[in-house]
Amino acid sequence: AQTVTQSQPEMSVQEAETVTLSCTYDTSENNYYLFWYKQPPSRQMILVIRQEAYKQQNATENRFSVNFQKAAKSFSLKISDSQLGDTAMYFCAFMNPTDSWGKLQFGAGTQVVVTP
Amino acid sequence: GAVVSQHPSRVICKSGTSVKIECRSLDFQATTMFWYRQFPKQSLMLMATSNEGSKATYEQGVEKDKFLINHASLTLSTLTVTSAHPEDSSFYICSARPSYNEQFFGPGTRLTVL
Repeated sequence: AQTVTQSQPEMSVQEAETVTLSCTYDTSENNYYLFWYKQPPSRQMILVIRQEAYKQQNATENRFSVNFQKAAKSFSLKISDSQLGDTAMYFCAFMNPTDSWGKLQFGAGTQVVVTP
Repeated sequence: GAVVSQHPSRVICKSGTSVKIECRSLDFQATTMFWYRQFPKQSLMLMATSNEGSKATYEQGVEKDKFLINHASLTLSTLTVTSAHPEDSSFYICSARPSYNEQFFGPGTRLTVL
């Protein structure tokens, strides 16, 4: 079974600064998908970024980028130019595409607080 | 983008009653839908996986007779909490998966059992 570990319960960052969230996972699969989801106070889960393991290039979405290290099984999220609206819980998630259901395995989450 | 709705957003009920939560994929057909439970400041805990027209698959430790799941169509799944008790109070989230490898989440339902 796959496990996803987020070792930082909470991170604080000032507006306009950069913060990096760590995520490691354990799997014996070679092809899989990794995701970062944001859950703001509204509790709506929002997809931030998605990475396919067979793609070596790191995914980027505007101010959000990942550092995907497949050999190290690491998938960190960098938030650049942090904004107050980035305050949220961030979850790292793993999906095994050979699992016919497409289940997501979530990490414990990291609470990001952006301060003025 | 793909939109998933959930209804109701908030429900308060008396102990012993049953509550039904609906999850709909509004602009796509969902081959699979998932139901999660989330406690404050914790991660999402998968309760069950449902596919249209077949029985749901429950995660270990989830009582299937208590949490009834029906996936009647490719756009609708329902979760019924039967004989609810205060310990069932929680935030319930559904998600829907189209044919490709991604899940889209509903806005969640806060259940309070008095």
